[in-house]
Amino acid sequence: DGGITQSPKYLFRKEGQNVTLSCEQNLNHDAMYWYRQDPGQGLRLIYYSQIVNDFQKGDIAEGYSVSREKKESFPLTVTSAQKNPTAFYLCASSTYRGSGELFFGEGSRLTVL
Amino acid sequence: DQQVKQNSPSLSVQEGRISILNCDYTNSMFDYFLWYKKYPAEGPTFLISISSIKDKNEDGRFTVFLNKSAKHLSLHIVPSQPGDSAVYFCAARGEAGGTSYGKLTFGQGTILTVHP
Repeated sequence: DGGITQSPKYLFRKEGQNVTLSCEQNLNHDAMYWYRQDPGQGLRLIYYSQIVNDFQKGDIAEGYSVSREKKESFPLTVTSAQKNPTAFYLCASSTYRGSGELFFGEGSRLTVL
Repeated sequence: DQQVKQNSPSLSVQEGRISILNCDYTNSMFDYFLWYKKYPAEGPTFLISISSIKDKNEDGRFTVFLNKSAKHLSLHIVPSQPGDSAVYFCAARGEAGGTSYGKLTFGQGTILTVHP
């Protein structure tokens, strides 16, 4: 089955620790994205990548880092520099054909203790 | 600067009636508009889209209307069903050739509750 897989679904972190969220897609999509969802604020773009070995900052990139070494994978690291890391994180991918709709994974809930 | 806005945080309708969800945008360079549906603790799923050169697109019970002069779009669901209860996000895509191409900018979402 084609789709996007995020892991882990739930993650707890102590303050000061870095954590990495995994995102893998087998849709053969060129572009991949990371969004963050907070209550009442919709989805905000953290980072995106339109091609392997290239990525750009989104609207709220501070405290996050990414890599795109393979077309299928776009991991997100939440660093200790991120002031409010507790959130629901969503990975997505897309082609540029048609409306370029994004296909989302199931999300990862990060809680900082 | 919120380029895509959904000013109604919530909407409650009776089963069988029409649900109308609204969205406003400020950037006239968006070339596609999309609606997504989201359940708690799940990823959003795509519902319907409309090109900026159209004013209406229909798919079953879902119709999206675009008013470019007003920079406004709306999603109509007829008839509404209890299973439609979810958060609905509108989103807009930057035009081809621009630095924002491919990126979707989302509104804050509207919680739709359909009562049996």
